[in-house]
Amino acid sequence: GAVVSQHPSWVICKSGTSVKIECRSLDFQATTMFWYRQFPKQSLMLMATSNEGSKATYEQGVEKDKFLINHASLTLSTLTVTSAHPEDSSFYICSARKGADTIYFGEGSWLTVV
Amino acid sequence: SQQGEEDPQALSIQEGENATMNCSYKTSINNLQWYRQNSGRGLVHLILIRSNEREKHSGRLRVTLDTSKKSSSLLITASRAADTASYFCATAAVNTGFQKLVFGTGTRLLVSP
Repeated sequence: GAVVSQHPSWVICKSGTSVKIECRSLDFQATTMFWYRQFPKQSLMLMATSNEGSKATYEQGVEKDKFLINHASLTLSTLTVTSAHPEDSSFYICSARKGADTIYFGEGSWLTVV
Repeated sequence: SQQGEEDPQALSIQEGENATMNCSYKTSINNLQWYRQNSGRGLVHLILIRSNEREKHSGRLRVTLDTSKKSSSLLITASRAADTASYFCATAAVNTGFQKLVFGTGTRLLVSP
């Protein structure tokens, strides 16, 4: 079964609103989680590294005020897309590190902004 | 960008044939991993090969790693229609403290019955 759960799997929101996506590690504690974005037929682009109890580290070109990341517990990281616009429509995937080498990915969340 | 390159971008074969995908990366790595992604779905981890390993097998999968050329290959033998998916390599680079997984551009594999 899944060890990293993402919710929701699909979300449609109106332009200008905010939407939150959750990433949970189900049977392990994850001090570090990662958020990726993937456009159709493209690869995964790392957006940010989410660190439990501290601020997220954003990749170059990713607006931290637009993509708010909160890692309040060892099993939950959230990504909030603020003031969403149609160009934010994408597939968002999280991953969580378990141990030194093992990374588990969530099933992803499709965001459509209309 | 530290994103790796994969080739071919797309590969179309018949069932029973072998599929080979190549990945090149830019920085020194701790390990290299291959993932599979069905359309619109999450990632499935296939295999991890460490920087001190040259070849690894898992079922019908064979992965090679050449750190001198900064390249890796994934071979799927006796392919099946169910192998149709996108395949990505991902590296944990030394310049990120091996913390971040960076993905290649991916290969879209189509296996026809």
